[in-house]
Amino acid sequence: QQQVKQSPQSLIVQKGGISIINCAYENTAFDYFPWYQQFPGKGPALLIAIRPDVSEKKEGRFTISFNKSAKQFSLHIMDSQPGDSATYFCAARWGGTSYGKLTFGQGTILTVHP
Amino acid sequence: NAGVTQTPKFQVLKTGQSMTLQCAQDMNHEYMSWYRQDPGMGLRLIHYSVGAGITDQGEVPNGYNVSRSTTEDFPLRLLSAAPSQTSVYFCASRLGGHRTGELFFGEGSRLTVL
Repeated sequence: QQQVKQSPQSLIVQKGGISIINCAYENTAFDYFPWYQQFPGKGPALLIAIRPDVSEKKEGRFTISFNKSAKQFSLHIMDSQPGDSATYFCAARWGGTSYGKLTFGQGTILTVHP
Repeated sequence: NAGVTQTPKFQVLKTGQSMTLQCAQDMNHEYMSWYRQDPGMGLRLIHYSVGAGITDQGEVPNGYNVSRSTTEDFPLRLLSAAPSQTSVYFCASRLGGHRTGELFFGEGSRLTVL
């Protein structure tokens, strides 16, 4: 049972376009929602994160939009560049006494054409 | 500044063989974890540890053992490898507690079981 569902599986965008990746969750025990970026042959690295009491967070060209009532959050990459081509994972952190374990979505392979 | 170091980077095993994937971190992180990455499945938590001598199961623990005798090291053992364990394995660590959800990942170990 996938606790965090991510879509699409793959995405192709032209340079300068907007990339949008969506995630949905069911469990209200999650208390923190990070996005990780992974380049081929490397481990994932934290890109941007948001807490559920905030509806939007922006860092440079990357924005997380968070809809608590719908239990959905999304990553927007503005002015997408070929260097953004990577696999993106959304994640959710278990709150309470769960030691802050992270559960990940299925991943989205983003390709930005020049 | 090594961060999280995994060895080996590549390994081929025959069904039934045993092996240990090594993970070491030099950031004095209390929390360490192992994930496996499979296409379309994202990153799934195998085992985690919140400190020396303390380990617990994640989402997919069957077929894997762990121990944590020091803060720095968190090896993952496959006692009798099966083809279903063909995957890319990532070790990740972070500070203890809920101060941050940022996991620092190693570069991965690609395992093939024939």
